[in-house]
Amino acid sequence: EVRLVESGGGLVEPGGSLRLSCVASGFTFDDYVMHWVRQAPGRGLEWVSSIIWNSGSKGYAASVKGRFTISRDNAKNSLSLQMESLRGEDTALYFCAKGPYSSTWTYFDYWGQGTLVTVSS
Amino acid sequence: EVVLTQSPGTLSLFQGERATLSCRASQTLSSNYVAWYQQRPGRAPRLLIYDSSTRATGIPDRFTGSGSGTDFTLTISRLEPEDFAVYYCQQYASSLLTFGGGTTVELK
Repeated sequence: EVRLVESGGGLVEPGGSLRLSCVASGFTFDDYVMHWVRQAPGRGLEWVSSIIWNSGSKGYAASVKGRFTISRDNAKNSLSLQMESLRGEDTALYFCAKGPYSSTWTYFDYWGQGTLVTVSS
Repeated sequence: EVVLTQSPGTLSLFQGERATLSCRASQTLSSNYVAWYQQRPGRAPRLLIYDSSTRATGIPDRFTGSGSGTDFTLTISRLEPEDFAVYYCQQYASSLLTFGGGTTVELK
């Protein structure tokens, strides 16, 4: 059974930093693209970032480019999102999601339950 | 950026009725690279359809995806109680992935 468990969310002041983590199990982690998707309270889904199997290619939404960094550790079956210069509009539930392929980001076939990030003073 | 517009915003239907959800793209999507997700309250999204019309593993056949070019549709043939939820379309024809704003299917 595919399982994705996020952690690291919390309350942070504007301008602050936070690091999210996602631990995967139930599949061969280094065979697949991984993603972060977020959902602001009461709002829709927004793609944040993607990383291919060997970290050789990464993608970011314009809203986070230059502030967020995605990374993965295949030895530990883990995905991370380092978030810097946080803003109120970054407040959201952050989902870790798996893609169906190794080198192309497409759709999201499995999702975690999310970790909540609140940016507020 | 490819903008996806979903309509209607809310669909009020009875159990057993047919639901038709629309997703329109701001530009032609190559290879019909559209997926659909269901999100129940307090839950993570669940993949229903990918490549415009292929059902994901374990998805009942009352869910059907169709469309091409700029216009895509998700049809639920007969609404079951667990189908009342929010539905999102998503495109992956561009490397900047985008979602539609969602359609809420509510019990009338």
